[in-house]
Amino acid sequence: ETGVTQTPRHLVMGMTNKKSLKCEQHLGHNAMYWYKQSAKKPLELMFVYNFKEQTENNSVPSRFSPECPNSSHLFLHLHTLQPEDSALYLCASSQESSGGPTGELFFGEGSRLTVL
Amino acid sequence: AQSVSQHNHHVILSEAASLELGCNYSYGGTVNLFWYVQYPGQHLQLLLKYFSGDPLVKGIKGFEAEFIKSKFSFNLRKPSVQWSDTAEYFCAVPQGGSQGNLIFGKGTKLSVKP
Repeated sequence: ETGVTQTPRHLVMGMTNKKSLKCEQHLGHNAMYWYKQSAKKPLELMFVYNFKEQTENNSVPSRFSPECPNSSHLFLHLHTLQPEDSALYLCASSQESSGGPTGELFFGEGSRLTVL
Repeated sequence: AQSVSQHNHHVILSEAASLELGCNYSYGGTVNLFWYVQYPGQHLQLLLKYFSGDPLVKGIKGFEAEFIKSKFSFNLRKPSVQWSDTAEYFCAVPQGGSQGNLIFGKGTKLSVKP
């Protein structure tokens, strides 16, 4: 039990589908993140939400659309993806303070996405 | 921009061998440093972290890391590995050095032979 739960664990979708990944954290944290983990590439930070406001968007294509309705839930909406978007998508949370982030992220187990 | 380099892609060791995994970062100012571990089929989790103070940091499961500012390095060590240490290890640093979101290295896969 990680404290960060991601669903679904596995997703196969066609390029014209619309799907969503869901993340829920049970740790009382105030920041949530989406990372992309591809084979042989470093973990890529996609989106950051601090106190429910998006504070980072690392040039992610618009076919990925995040949503953070509250501090415990984070979604990643997927639309017209490409095969190269196939990867493990990791959600993480942390507790941020006015002194700056602790850098300690708590990760979920990931959603393995395959785009056909 | 900050960057992190891990030199070893895959390391294979026998049980009881000593381990050292390299990590170098590019930012030269105040820096926080982290090692994360991902065991097979499990989530990424924090192994140890350095914020300030003693440059030799002790983590869980007998791991330690030494911050050497002059070398921009934060190498991970363990005197005697076990089969259960088989995992992928990631070095990470905040984008701005001491604040900001984590930038990860490519990871080093460690395989320990029983």
